[in-house]
Amino acid sequence: QQQVKQSPQSLIVQKGGISIINCAYENTAFDYFPWYQQFPGKGPALLIAIRPDVSEKKEGRFTISFNKSAKQFSLHIMDSQPGDSATYFCAVTRGGYQKVTFGTGTKLQVIP
Amino acid sequence: GAGVSQTPSNKVTEKGKYVELRCDPISGHTALYWYRQSLGQGPEFLIYFQGTGAADDSGLPNDRFFAVRPEGSVSTLKIQRTERGDSAVYLCASSLVHGGNTEAFFGQGTRLTVV
Repeated sequence: QQQVKQSPQSLIVQKGGISIINCAYENTAFDYFPWYQQFPGKGPALLIAIRPDVSEKKEGRFTISFNKSAKQFSLHIMDSQPGDSATYFCAVTRGGYQKVTFGTGTKLQVIP
Repeated sequence: GAGVSQTPSNKVTEKGKYVELRCDPISGHTALYWYRQSLGQGPEFLIYFQGTGAADDSGLPNDRFFAVRPEGSVSTLKIQRTERGDSAVYLCASSLVHGGNTEAFFGQGTRLTVV
C-alpha cells in the first residue's frame, strides 16, 4: 500500500513561472510533512517542512500548503528558475522520527 | 568531514557475491539511517541506528541484509548472496539527535550494480 501519492511524475515550467507539486497521504498519524530536493548523483536534501497545525508555510520562493481534512499537501515554487531543475519528493513521518516515507518523486525542468 | 560520506561511490558485483557499503556520518550525529533508492523511485527506509544499536530494522527486505554500527559512528551495510534486484543506490543519512524533527542529512549514496 502506497502511503503517500505524489503527482505529477514530471513537470516542465518556464522560467519565472509557478511550479506546483501535489501529495496525498492516508495515515492520519503522520505529523510531519517534509519536502526534499534531489539533484542527479546527490542525496536528497530537506527543502521545507510543515506540521499539521498550520495550513501554510513559506520560505523564500517555496511554500507548502497543507489541507488536513483532505489529507493533502502541496509544494509551490514561485518564480521558478533553471537552478530549481531537480527531482522533488514529498514525504511523511510521525513522532519526530526520521523514518521517512517518501513519495515517488516529481522531476521538474525549468526552461529559460 | 563536513557531510555524510559514503564509500564506495559505485560498486559493481557479480550475482551471489557479498558486498559491504560504508557510511561515515557527520561528526557528533547520534542517529544514522540507511535507505535504498531504486531507479525512478523515492528512497525506501531500511534501518535506523541510535548510537550503536539498531532501533528499527523493519525496512530490511530479508535476512541477506544486515547493518552494524559497532562504535556508534561509522556504519556498514552488508549484503550477502547479492541478487540483481538488489541493484539500487544505497543512501545513508545522519541526524544530531533522534526525534524533534531534527534534519537528517543524506550522503550522495553508493550505486550498487549486481550483474
